[in-house]
Amino acid sequence: GQSLEQPSEVTAVEGAIVQINCTYQTSGFYGLSWYQQHDGGAPTFLSYNGLDGLEETGRFSSFLSRSDSYGYLLLQELQMKDSASYFCAVSISGSARQLTFGSGTQLTVLP
Amino acid sequence: DGGITQSPKYLFRKEGQNVTLSCEQNLNHDAMYWYRQDPGQGLRLIYYSQIVNDFQKGDIAEGYSVSREKKESFPLTVTSAQKNPTAFYLCASSRDRELVYEQYFGPGTRLTVT
Repeated sequence: GQSLEQPSEVTAVEGAIVQINCTYQTSGFYGLSWYQQHDGGAPTFLSYNGLDGLEETGRFSSFLSRSDSYGYLLLQELQMKDSASYFCAVSISGSARQLTFGSGTQLTVLP
Repeated sequence: DGGITQSPKYLFRKEGQNVTLSCEQNLNHDAMYWYRQDPGQGLRLIYYSQIVNDFQKGDIAEGYSVSREKKESFPLTVTSAQKNPTAFYLCASSRDRELVYEQYFGPGTRLTVT
């Protein structure tokens, strides 16, 4: 099976930078995705790392180290609207193409 | 606008009744997924379908059933055998099985069973 670990809560102030870590244990690792979910809403896709290194999309960046089974989501220039839950999710190779989600990190951005 | 619709947003049922949750997409995506989310938890996969007329059990399929007769539709039935059905149910799709990592979600159905 797969298991993922991420912090349950993170708090930061507006304008700051925050990093949300994710460590995983899985066989047949294919890639690591990140999703954002506001309270009561639908998750939205943020980024994907299939290879080691940094992927940048505007204020958000995501990093993967396959050798360390570790990734992170970096949020810069935090805004109040970034307050949400952030989930990492692993996909595995093979015929059973599915995502396994972590339990999520609740980010609170303070003024 | 393309997207995924789920209806209804809120659903209330008595224990012992089966209930079917609707999921429709007009994104022309091949793959569709059903997840369950409990308060403060991540998403757990119930069933997924990579192509029409085919579906596979996810991690928590017991007490649930699905069908995939049309590409656009992937309804989920919560049966009376599901021991704890009260939850937030999310439907998602991806362009195909290769793009499983990039899923688009519907707004969800919040099911309460009493």
